[in-house]
Order: sequence, then structure tokens, then C-alpha cells
Amino acid sequence: QSALTQPASVSGSPGQSITVSCAGTSNDVGSFDYVSWYQQLPGKAPRLIIYDVNNRPSGVSNRFSGSKSGNTASLAISGLQSEDEADYYCSSLTTTTTLLFGTGTKVTVL
Amino acid sequence: EVQLAQSGAELKKPGESLKISCKGHGYKFTNYWIGWVRQMSGKGLEWMALVHPGDSDTRYSPSSEGHVTISVDKSITTAFLQWRSLKASDTAMYFCVRSPTTIYFDAWGQGSLVTVSS
Repeated sequence: QSALTQPASVSGSPGQSITVSCAGTSNDVGSFDYVSWYQQLPGKAPRLIIYDVNNRPSGVSNRFSGSKSGNTASLAISGLQSEDEADYYCSSLTTTTTLLFGTGTKVTVL
Repeated sequence: EVQLAQSGAELKKPGESLKISCKGHGYKFTNYWIGWVRQMSGKGLEWMALVHPGDSDTRYSPSSEGHVTISVDKSITTAFLQWRSLKASDTAMYFCVRSPTTIYFDAWGQGSLVTVSS
């Protein structure tokens, strides 16, 4: 199984909004509303920020939002802040009941 | 507070065996799946395996099945990941994860660094 496809890097200035895409197939992203997103700060363990496409766990800023269209999911970050500089990974359930991560996107705040 | 406390860094030789651990704190251990995610140096995340402490049901990724064994001891709220014969390519950081449904991971351990080198 190949990883879901994410852009290697996305950047934006403080206060701007950015979007990170996560391209899958009809065997994963396209089949279920079970896309999640994780933020990994440098040298730290990942943290769940979005689950089931567009749900935020308690304590996660509402500047993070998720969506899905067809085989592609997206993470939007509004009001970009320096603390958002991190690696972001998407994940999806697959039709073989395994879990697939994306290739990861480095978000840089200019 | 939910915590997943992992065992420390390991340095092993190719062909050796290894068992790393993850102790769950601050939640009802048998209500959640627990498992492992691998991250090689400078690379992305890879899901490896999950186990349910309630009934020991296990799930493996295709690439992990047959190479590692996941297990759990609910009496000590601890999950394990075991190798019988390590390879240099097993060198990575291994994160313990908790999952309510096998679909996403809502808690992560601090990571256990495994280095396999002759």
C-alpha cells in the first residue's frame, strides 16, 4: 500500500490561511469519512488535531479545520501563527481495514 | 491525565531479539485499542499494529505482519512490541498510540528509539 500523497511543504505569513492537501484513492480517503490529521512539532510526538474528517478533539484550536471531497482531504489553518510551524500528517482507514498515513507536509511560517 | 509511558532507548545487533513496552495511565485501559507507529529518522509515520486489551484482538499492517508481535498484559496496563530477529532496517523511533476505534490515535507516547547496528 502506498502512502497518501501530501505536498512536501506549504508556507504562509503570520495571520494568513493555508491549506494542506491529502490525496488518496477510492480504496481509502474516498471510501470512508475516517480521515484524521496529526501535528508533529520538531523533536516531539505527533498530536491528533482532526478526526473523522472535520472533528476537533477538546483543546485543539478552532483555527484548524478539515474537509474532504472525493479522494482528497484537506486541512486548513487560519490565522497562521509561529507555533503552527510543524510537520502535518493525514491518515485514513482503508478498505482492507488497515490505516494509511500521508507522506507528511512541513508547514513553515514566514 | 492520559499518559502512555514507553520504555527507554535500545541499542541492539542484527539478529538479536527485543521487546519494548508501553504502560497506559489515567484511563480505563480495556476500553481502548493500543498500538505502535514507526518513524524512521527524517521520515514519515507508519502504522504497525494494534491490540485490544479487552479481548486481545490484534490488527497488523501488511508490512509488519510476521516480523513483529504485539501483545498486551491488562493486569499491568502494558502493551508490548516484540522482534525475534532484528534487522538494521528496524532502526527507528517507535511511538505507542491509543485508539478509541482503530481509526485514529488520540494519545501518543514519548517514543522509544531502537537502533540496530553491528
